[in-house]
Amino acid sequence: EVQLVGSGGGLVQPGGSLRLSCAGSGFTFSSYWMHWVRQAPGEGLVWVSRISSDGSITNYADSVKGRFTISRDNAKNTLYLQMNSLRAEDTAVYYCARCYSSLSDFDYWGQGTLVTVSS
Amino acid sequence: QSVLTQPPSVSGAPGQRVTISCTGSRSNIGAGYDVQWYQQLPGTAPKVLIYGNNNRPSGVPDRFSGSKSGTSASLAITGLQAEDEAEYYCQSYDSSLSAVFGTGTKVTVL
Repeated sequence: EVQLVGSGGGLVQPGGSLRLSCAGSGFTFSSYWMHWVRQAPGEGLVWVSRISSDGSITNYADSVKGRFTISRDNAKNTLYLQMNSLRAEDTAVYYCARCYSSLSDFDYWGQGTLVTVSS
Repeated sequence: QSVLTQPPSVSGAPGQRVTISCTGSRSNIGAGYDVQWYQQLPGTAPKVLIYGNNNRPSGVPDRFSGSKSGTSASLAITGLQAEDEAEYYCQSYDSSLSAVFGTGTKVTVL
């Protein structure tokens, strides 16, 4: 069974940092592109970042470019999102999701992990 | 942040047909990128309903269908059921190879 399990969310002060993780199982993790998508409370889905299957290609939304870093460890079947200089507007549930190619659909999603940026 | 526009809400009686539009531009849907549709029930992660414009993953009822034309796409739900009450999002890619989502549509079963 394919599973994506996100973790690492919590309460952080503005300007602080947090690292999210997403552990994959039940599939060949190293064969898939991986994405982060976030959803602010009561709002819609917003794409954040993606990384190629081998980690050589990364892309970011303008709103997080220069502050967030996506990475992966295929030996540990784990995706990461390092979030620095956090702002109140980064408050959201963060989902990890997998894609079988660079431009395909998100066929499996993690359960989401909540990040709250507040003093 | 959303570059794909959807109606905020649509509604219909059980058994009826409803459609949800998704309007993009020449830099995303109009550039030839495929459109996907996701269903999100309250408090849960999204689930793919349609991929590659008009394909259903196994397990998705054939009451759901998708189409694409020019810079727009649409999702149709026929034989509306109470369990279809949810939020629906379209998704595509743009010329910067970023993924883009629609604004979301709340479907209400009357």
